[in-house]
Amino acid sequence: EIVLTQSPGTVSLSPGERATLSCRASQSVSSSYLAWYQQKPGQAPRLLIYGASSRATGIPDRFSGSGSGTDFTLTISRLEPEDFAVYHCQQYGSSTWTFGQGTKVEIK
Amino acid sequence: EVQVVESGGGLVKPGGSLRLSCAASGFSFSYAWMSWVRQAQGRGLEWVGRIKSKNDGGTTDYAAPVKGRFTISRDDSKNTLYLHMNSLKTEDTAVYYCTTLNILSHAFDIWGQGTMVTVSS
Repeated sequence: EIVLTQSPGTVSLSPGERATLSCRASQSVSSSYLAWYQQKPGQAPRLLIYGASSRATGIPDRFSGSGSGTDFTLTISRLEPEDFAVYHCQQYGSSTWTFGQGTKVEIK
Repeated sequence: EVQVVESGGGLVKPGGSLRLSCAASGFSFSYAWMSWVRQAQGRGLEWVGRIKSKNDGGTTDYAAPVKGRFTISRDDSKNTLYLHMNSLKTEDTAVYYCTTLNILSHAFDIWGQGTMVTVSS
């Protein structure tokens, strides 16, 4: 099973700042099958990015994804108040899906 | 509006059984691949299982912790997905989400609001 490790666990930033979130896989992941989700307290996750770099419907262009192999990154170019949340990465391989443990983006 | 709505959660004793339902609307359910994902309090997300559309074989796959105890089924005439949970353990306590699964990207597109399952004596 591929293990995804997200870092940092928590990051404290101010609105308007840039957020860079990392997702590292224990073995190579197909870029086609790497996704990112946003989750706010008490809510279900929402798909942000699929295929490592494609934005889901309705997702603002301040969200971008990049990476390949074992290292993937979610970047939020300028944090808006509604972006403070937990972000999860997810991969698919061999009929199994795994998630990272999440990165919390909190207001500084 | 495209949506999925879960129901059936509750309190059950260890070793007991429970059936969750997921009512789908706003999309062609019979062609959709569907999944269940769970989240224990304060923890990350954990994939539970997936069912393909009948058109694609209707086959299922499960995560190791639930294999042999949980079963996913679907009733396309009712646009409803089910999760049958047997031999429940305290570690199965979580919010259970029903999701659609994009066949190309294998990402979870649409999520329900979740239903809480508590396994406790």
